[in-house]
Amino acid sequence: DIVLTQSPDSLPVSLGERVTISCKSSRSVLSTSNNRNYLAWYQQKPGQPPRLLIYRASTRESGVPDRFSGSGSGTDFTLTISSLKAEDVAVYYCQQYYSTITFGQGTRLEIE
Amino acid sequence: QVQLVQSGAEVKRPGASVKVSCKASGYSFTSFAINWVRQAAGQGLEWMGWMNPNTGDTGYAQKFQGRITMTRNTSTSTAFMELVSLKSEDTALYYCARVYHGGSWVLDWGQGTLVTVSS
Repeated sequence: DIVLTQSPDSLPVSLGERVTISCKSSRSVLSTSNNRNYLAWYQQKPGQPPRLLIYRASTRESGVPDRFSGSGSGTDFTLTISSLKAEDVAVYYCQQYYSTITFGQGTRLEIE
Repeated sequence: QVQLVQSGAEVKRPGASVKVSCKASGYSFTSFAINWVRQAAGQGLEWMGWMNPNTGDTGYAQKFQGRITMTRNTSTSTAFMELVSLKSEDTALYYCARVYHGGSWVLDWGQGTLVTVSS
């Protein structure tokens, strides 16, 4: 199985701050046939199911604010929130779908 | 709009089985795969497997092989996930999820079904 490791596990943040979350894969999730990275990002708030933010590593889902962006390729990926808002406090997960499906362990954002 | 409505909470004894349902609406049920993901309290997301509602084809995570069965009823647009030989470690919130093109990203999630395994 492909293992995804997120860092950090938790992150104290301030409103307005630029936030970056890392997701590293044990194997490349880049398809050589179509040059697409098989990686997605989700946001989960307490008591709610996850919400899709990003797919194909960098394509923002419809309705997701443009302060959220994804980047990276192969084995190293990043989710960036350009200017943190209070409603962004949540747990964030990366997910690969290159070989079955696995999720990272999650990164919890907490207000400082 | 797309909705995935799951069955209610269950309490089971160790060794028992549970069958969770997921009724889909707002889209063509047979056109998108249904995956199941679980989440223990305070923990991360764990993928359990997928089902093609059109063909009934399934694929299960190695961890659950032999204990899990995914089925569907196309006439009612309902997917089912049955887990047998329950252990306390199976206590979790179980989600069904509509997935884009088989095995890829999750478009929509059910509300979750809490399964508690306790003696």
